[in-house]
Amino acid sequence: DIVMTQSPDSLAVSLGERATVNCKSSQSVLYTSKNKNYLAWYQQKPGQPPKLLIYWASTRESGVPDRFSGSGSGTDFTLTISSLQAEDVAVYFCQQYYTTPLTFGGGTKVEIK
Amino acid sequence: QVQLQESGPGLVKASETLSLTCTVSGASISSYYLSWIRQPPGKGLEWIGYIYYTGSTNYNPSLKSRVTMSVDTSKNQFYLRLSAVTAADTAVYYCARSPVVPAANWFDPWGQGTLVTVSS
Repeated sequence: DIVMTQSPDSLAVSLGERATVNCKSSQSVLYTSKNKNYLAWYQQKPGQPPKLLIYWASTRESGVPDRFSGSGSGTDFTLTISSLQAEDVAVYFCQQYYTTPLTFGGGTKVEIK
Repeated sequence: QVQLQESGPGLVKASETLSLTCTVSGASISSYYLSWIRQPPGKGLEWIGYIYYTGSTNYNPSLKSRVTMSVDTSKNQFYLRLSAVTAADTAVYYCARSPVVPAANWFDPWGQGTLVTVSS
């Protein structure tokens, strides 16, 4: 199985500041022949299901604010919230879909400082 | 707008079989991969497996011996059965759809989830 490791477990950021969440996979999720990274990011607020934010590591889902961006390749990935808003308080998960079993990171809780 | 809704008993006795239904509205389930994912209270997400509308399946090896998924395209529903449950199977169970794009096994949308508690 591909193990997805997120860091930090939690972080507190001031409103309007940048928040950075890291995700590392135990093996590459880059499909070199297609030049695509098989990685998605989700946001989960309390009592709600996860919501897709980003797929192919950096493609923003329709309707997701442009303050959310994804970057990285191979085994190391980052979700960045460029200017944290109150409504961004949530747990963020990464997920690889390079191979089955599909696996998720443990989650990063983002809070307001 | 596609919506998914899980249904089933919220309480299951240990050693028995958990059975859940996911009803899809707003679109036909034909041509989609449909997954079950679970989340123990306060913990992370575990993919249980997916089923294609044709009935072909792919299960997480960690649960494979106890999982059965099926689909009824006429009802736009798909189903999960998990046998011999223990307290470790207590979780919120979600159903979710993956897009039609080949190999695009991300999840969108998700159902609201249903909490299943295993009692001893």
